[in-house]
Amino acid sequence: KQEVTQIPAALSVPEGENLVLNCSFTDSAIYNLQWFRQDPGKGLTSLLLIQSSQREQTSGRLNASLDKSSGRSTLYIAASQPGDSATYLCAVMKGNQFYFGTGTSLTVIP
Amino acid sequence: NAGVTQTPKFRILKIGQSMTLQCAQDMNHNYMYWYRQDPGMGLKLIYYSVGAGITDKGEVPNGYNVSRSTTEDFPLRLELAAPSQTSVYFCASSLDRVGEKLFFGSGTQLSVL
Repeated sequence: KQEVTQIPAALSVPEGENLVLNCSFTDSAIYNLQWFRQDPGKGLTSLLLIQSSQREQTSGRLNASLDKSSGRSTLYIAASQPGDSATYLCAVMKGNQFYFGTGTSLTVIP
Repeated sequence: NAGVTQTPKFRILKIGQSMTLQCAQDMNHNYMYWYRQDPGMGLKLIYYSVGAGITDKGEVPNGYNVSRSTTEDFPLRLELAAPSQTSVYFCASSLDRVGEKLFFGSGTQLSVL
């Protein structure tokens, strides 16, 4: 069974800092990996999708990397802003299912 | 473009009652999913569908049923509600399995008392 782990569970940083969120998974036979953002009381929004054949994806201040062999992905957020405060979840796709981590709750302090 | 629409947003049920959570998408997506999210836990897949008329169980299907008569709609039925079904339910869809992003609805918060 695919297990997805995100560490740390919570993170608090001052505005402007660069930060890295971590995601690890136990089964490297995945189709893709997605990073999501979830605001309180809202649904999830897909931020970045990395196919299994890719190493990284970038969107604005966000960069996600994928190392399938080691079962790891990182989400890099540059120059963090208070508006980045949210919970960030990663999910890997295997078969017809996405397997989600429990998320990292990020607080960016003005 | 509405995306994925879920109704209702909130609901309180008594033990033993039944209800249907509605989900509709207007993006002509083939794949649709139902997840539940419990505090401190990752999302767990309840059921999914790869197209009209085709559904399959996910990780936690007990106590739920689904149908997919059209591409747009994917309702989730709770029969004989139990307190263990208190959760936030999310519907999601994607165009294809491998290469597409997953789009989520805003969720239904359900309490069973």
